[in-house]
Amino acid sequence: GESVGLHLPTLSVQEGDNSIINCAYSNSASDYFIWYKQESGKGPQFIIDIRSNMDKRQGQRVTVLLNKTVKHLSLQIAATQPGDSAVYFCAEISWGKFQFGAGTQVVVTP
Amino acid sequence: NAGVTQTPKFQVLKTGQSMTLQCAQDMNHNSMYWYRQDPGMGLRLIYYSASEGTTDKGEVPNGYNVSRLNKREFSLRLESAAPSQTSVYFCASSLLRGDNSPLHFGNGTRLTVT
Repeated sequence: GESVGLHLPTLSVQEGDNSIINCAYSNSASDYFIWYKQESGKGPQFIIDIRSNMDKRQGQRVTVLLNKTVKHLSLQIAATQPGDSAVYFCAEISWGKFQFGAGTQVVVTP
Repeated sequence: NAGVTQTPKFQVLKTGQSMTLQCAQDMNHNSMYWYRQDPGMGLRLIYYSASEGTTDKGEVPNGYNVSRLNKREFSLRLESAAPSQTSVYFCASSLLRGDNSPLHFGNGTRLTVT
């Protein structure tokens, strides 16, 4: 899940397994959500988005689930690969204003 | 199509020195942004430009100034650098602020102030 503080939570996943990364958002008025991937030394890269009128959206090997009742967002990565090792963070958007989580470090082990 | 390009990639400044971080996008986006990223924290907005000719403060604007030079370019200036400004700075752009489109980020400028 998301955390504030100096150390990011870490998710260790075996190559080939599925990963689930969680995010608790704060603003019930947020109507748009994005997952970003950030590799070491690079900028955040868009993975997938979802609007508040949906509860699930699928991309290539990724699925985002939105539960507005409990203000929870998750990212599922199927068949995790070494190239998926990165920090993943969510963004909630309300009236064009972005608020970002600190992120979860995903480490893929052989 | 390079996306969002930032220069320089790395910079070391002494306290009190000034510098300008450059950003350019080639996606014909209207809105541009400057964020800072500190360890264990989410990205924080410094300044943004919703469209050419306008700039507005974000949540952490103190110690910074910006210029929207044209539709493509948005620069961030530190007039008198302080150690608290040691951070990674990201420029981003979007089609239009408020239309629920994603931000596209550059690869960042890693700034150390000693």
